Amino acid sequence: AQSVAQPEDQVNVAEGNPLTVKCTYSVSGNPYLFWYVQYPNRGLQFLLKYITGDNLVKGSYGFEAEFNKSQTSFHLKKPSALVSDSALYFCAVRDGSYNTDKLIFGTGTRLQVFP
Amino acid sequence: DGGITQSPKYLFRKEGQNVTLSCEQNLNHDAMYWYRQDPGQGLRLIYYSQIVNDFQKGDIAEGYSVSREKKESFPLTVTSAQKNPTAFYLCASSLAWLNTGELFFGEGSRLTVL
Repeated sequence: AQSVAQPEDQVNVAEGNPLTVKCTYSVSGNPYLFWYVQYPNRGLQFLLKYITGDNLVKGSYGFEAEFNKSQTSFHLKKPSALVSDSALYFCAVRDGSYNTDKLIFGTGTRLQVFP
Repeated sequence: DGGITQSPKYLFRKEGQNVTLSCEQNLNHDAMYWYRQDPGQGLRLIYYSQIVNDFQKGDIAEGYSVSREKKESFPLTVTSAQKNPTAFYLCASSLAWLNTGELFFGEGSRLTVL
């Protein structure tokens, strides 16, 4: 079965410093990977996706993610964190097997950016 | 503006009552989804629908029911059979099934059982 794991419940970073939010995946076949962000009491917003092509994917709000096949990882990164980046981040993988099509989400990582 | 509208935003229910959460989209998307969010558990799929008049159970369908009579609407009923219904419920849609695009989410409905 397809799955993703987010090993950190929370990541703390100072404003202006680079940030990384980790995600590892387990899939059969080629992975379709996604990152979403959720602000308090809101729905999720799409940040970026990896389908195929370049291993470095650029997305919204200055975020990027690096696909690493050998390490089965898809870490979210940003060169310089903002306080407004503080939110809950979800990694997800598409499950297109057995005549289905859905996203499987990780448990989420709370990012806290301190001024 | 195109998007997904969920209502109500907050809902309180007594034990033993059924409640229905509304989800409407004007994005002309074929596929719609219901997720449940609990602290520390991420999002879990309840039901999804790839086309009108068709839907499939997700990972935690017990105690829930849905219908898809219109393309733009995908209401979720939380029945009295759902043992722990207090949660944040999220509706989403995507352009088509087997699509590599992203999901679009509503703002969520928070259900509290008293």
